[in-house]
Amino acid sequence: KQEVTQIPAALSVPEGENLVLNCSFTDSAIYNLQWFRQDPGKGLTSLLLIQSSQREQTSGRLNASLDKSSGRSTLYIAASQPGDSATYLCAVSKNRPGSARQLTFGSGTQLTVLP
Amino acid sequence: GAGVSQSPSNKVTEKGKDVELRCDPISGHTALYWYRQSLGQGLEFLIYFQGNSAPDKSGLPSDRFSAERTGGSVSTLTIQRTQQEDSAVYLCASSFRGQPQHFGDGTRLSIL
Repeated sequence: KQEVTQIPAALSVPEGENLVLNCSFTDSAIYNLQWFRQDPGKGLTSLLLIQSSQREQTSGRLNASLDKSSGRSTLYIAASQPGDSATYLCAVSKNRPGSARQLTFGSGTQLTVLP
Repeated sequence: GAGVSQSPSNKVTEKGKDVELRCDPISGHTALYWYRQSLGQGLEFLIYFQGNSAPDKSGLPSDRFSAERTGGSVSTLTIQRTQQEDSAVYLCASSFRGQPQHFGDGTRLSIL
């Protein structure tokens, strides 16, 4: 059974700092890995999706890397802003026949960026 | 809007009652997923629909939970004889051809 772990559980940084969130997974047979953001009382917003054949994806100040063989991914946030404060979730989908791509989620990292 | 819509946004009910949660996916999305987010368990997959194929029900926690998707669009998740441990946020997501899943804001279910 796939297990996804995120470290740290919570992180507080001053505005402007660069930071790294970590995600690890136990089964490397994944189809893709996604990073999501969740604001209080809201659903999930997809930030980056990395296919199993890819090593990284970038969007603005965000960069996500994937090392499938070691079961690790990182989300790098550059020049953090108070608006980045949210819970960040990592999720993997299993590489299986057919198209069922249900996600297995980590427990998230709660990020607070202090002004 | 063009996003995934869920209703109601909040539902409070008494233990033992049945509840129905609704999800309107993004138009044209063939895949629809239900997840549950609770304090103790995090985010868990419940059920998956893809087109006209039989749904993947492998995540449903008990036979009190069921879901249907009518006409390949709207889906309802039904919980019968609710228990206090069913209290959670129920999230729906839809996607198209392996693209990222788009999530609704969820239904916050509280069982008294």
